[in-house]
Amino acid sequence: DAKTTQPNSMESNEEEPVHLPCNHSTISGTDYIHWYRQLPSQGPEYVIHGLTSNVNNRMASLAIAEDRKSSTLILHRATLRDAAVYYCILRDRSGGSNYKLTFGKGTLLTVNP
Amino acid sequence: ETGVTQSPTHLIKTRGQQVTLRCSSQSGHNTVSWYQQALGQGPQFIFQYYREEENGRGNFPPRFSGLQFPNYSSELNVNALELDDSALYLCASSSRDRGLNTEAFFGQGTRLTVV
Repeated sequence: DAKTTQPNSMESNEEEPVHLPCNHSTISGTDYIHWYRQLPSQGPEYVIHGLTSNVNNRMASLAIAEDRKSSTLILHRATLRDAAVYYCILRDRSGGSNYKLTFGKGTLLTVNP
Repeated sequence: ETGVTQSPTHLIKTRGQQVTLRCSSQSGHNTVSWYQQALGQGPQFIFQYYREEENGRGNFPPRFSGLQFPNYSSELNVNALELDDSALYLCASSSRDRGLNTEAFFGQGTRLTVV
């Protein structure tokens, strides 16, 4: 699986936007960019995914660079409940015969009140 | 729809013992994956089951084994427990249709402590 690089930690203030970066310079043409987050004492939770175009859902937005070598997860208004470890993961489009997710260490997001 | 549930939530075992962890997958999902998460690390893939057959395995020894049942629930068995097996064990369910996979839904995990 192609690797991703994320900052170890980031800090934000409540109700401010947060931009979480991810570098994936070795991404292949068939890789989707997935984001999961893990709140304290919980299992990971799916956030969003995309291939080439920017994506929006109720939780977040995903901005993908034109060359697809980087992406940014955007939380439009951070809340205290958004404090979590955020993982950026590359997945083959079809998943093949194996839907494993390769997690790195992710970015620990701290949200200040 | 019901979510992914795991049992037990916490467990303490002695080195050398065997343990069985259980997972009920989300309704309608036919694929279950197991992950091990050591403290301060991201989850590591153990193996996946699709329609009751093992369908991919990570870098874990054979003493880690599993089962998937006709109702798509699953078990993770670990024999000859070692101290390093202490971790959070996560189950994730997803659905595969025509070769494409939905996102994975994770349970809250089982915290295993080996003493």
